Amino acid sequence: DTAVSQTPKYLVTQMGNDKSIKCEQNLGHDTMYWYKQDSKKFLKIMFSYNNKELIINETVPNRFSPKSPDKAHLNLHINSLELGDSAVYFCASSQVGAGGDNEQFFGPGTRLTVL
Amino acid sequence: GQNIDQPTEMTATEGAIVQINCTYQTSGFNGLFWYQQHAGEAPTFLSYNVLDGLEEKGRFSSFLSRSKGYSYLLLKELQMKDSASYLCAGTDSWGKLQFGAGTQVVVTP
Repeated sequence: DTAVSQTPKYLVTQMGNDKSIKCEQNLGHDTMYWYKQDSKKFLKIMFSYNNKELIINETVPNRFSPKSPDKAHLNLHINSLELGDSAVYFCASSQVGAGGDNEQFFGPGTRLTVL
Repeated sequence: GQNIDQPTEMTATEGAIVQINCTYQTSGFNGLFWYQQHAGEAPTFLSYNVLDGLEEKGRFSSFLSRSKGYSYLLLKELQMKDSASYLCAGTDSWGKLQFGAGTQVVVTP
């Protein structure tokens, strides 16, 4: 099936650990995104890559580092996890980022719980 | 940046019509998206408006007034499965989506 997939779906870890979330899309899109949805359900963009190049970088702690090995993958690595990092992280992709008029397709989300 | 405001919750009965309003204050505004998100699931695309006016898609319609910084999503013939959060999001020319906090629609029998 064509889709945006993320692994893992659930991630429970201790404060201070380092973890990664992987995202893959087989829609042939050029642009991929990471969003954070907190407990109040506010969905906020973190990063965007277009053809492996960073184009959006919101005010996110530098403990968060995205990596795009190719345009079909955008992984998120988080160092020194904190309690406030607990949230659902959504990956998304779209056909072309510039122009702003392209529907974004979201992955199923990764629920991160930091203890 | 963009500020997006929408009501927190709305309740309506099956078969009724509900209108979810969204106001925005933006810089570099390019267009406005509406997404639907069921609990525990990913947001899914409903509509996109870039020009003023009404876009109709089956039971769902979306309206945009750029001069007023205003949009609404109209849900007709409500069904129980329409109970979800509806997210208003402004986009700039880079494709950056700025979401509102979402409006939880509760459909009652």
